[in-house]
Amino acid sequence: DAGITQSPRYKITETGRQVTLMCHQTWSHSYMFWYRQDLGHGLRLIYYSAAADITDKGEVPDGYVVSRSKTENFPLTLESATRSQTSVYFCASRSGVGTEAFFGQGTRLTVV
Amino acid sequence: QQQVKQSPQSLIVQKGGISIINCAYENTAFDYFPWYQQFPGKGPALLIAIRPDVSEKKEGRFTISFNKSAKQFSLHIMDSQPGDSATYFCAASITGNQFYFGTGTSLTVIP
Repeated sequence: DAGITQSPRYKITETGRQVTLMCHQTWSHSYMFWYRQDLGHGLRLIYYSAAADITDKGEVPDGYVVSRSKTENFPLTLESATRSQTSVYFCASRSGVGTEAFFGQGTRLTVV
Repeated sequence: QQQVKQSPQSLIVQKGGISIINCAYENTAFDYFPWYQQFPGKGPALLIAIRPDVSEKKEGRFTISFNKSAKQFSLHIMDSQPGDSATYFCAASITGNQFYFGTGTSLTVIP
């Protein structure tokens, strides 16, 4: 199916563990983004990528790592999860010249 | 520093009424202002968007009003329906760059 998909949809992990959230898009969009959504903060940008092998920090990058070896995939890794990283994470993509960003369904991550 | 400020945080409107959500920005380089709608358990989806060269854009019951001099823009939902109950985010971007989102408005339309 065409679109943008995130996995897993739900994840519970323990403090200090490494966890990776996956994002895959089928449109070959140049831009991909990771946001976290928290009550009272809206959507805050963690990292974004303008193309394969090009990534850049957003507003709240600390504690996160990204990579983009292929255009269609943009995984987000929490190297050592903390309770403050409990959130809903959204991946989004946008074409190089387009304006609309398309969002995935989100991953609800709970760090205990 | 919040690049886009959104108000109110929550809004309750009677069915058939007008819902109004306001946003303000500081960066005059922003050239694209979308509104996203999000239902529970779903990702945000584009509702309507405007560029600063027009003062108003209407799509069905949804209208964006844009005031470039005041650096403000707002979403008006006419004849609000219970199905419009959702969270609404305004955003701003410079074409080709990242989006900055407001903090969201939770809209409840009472039947």
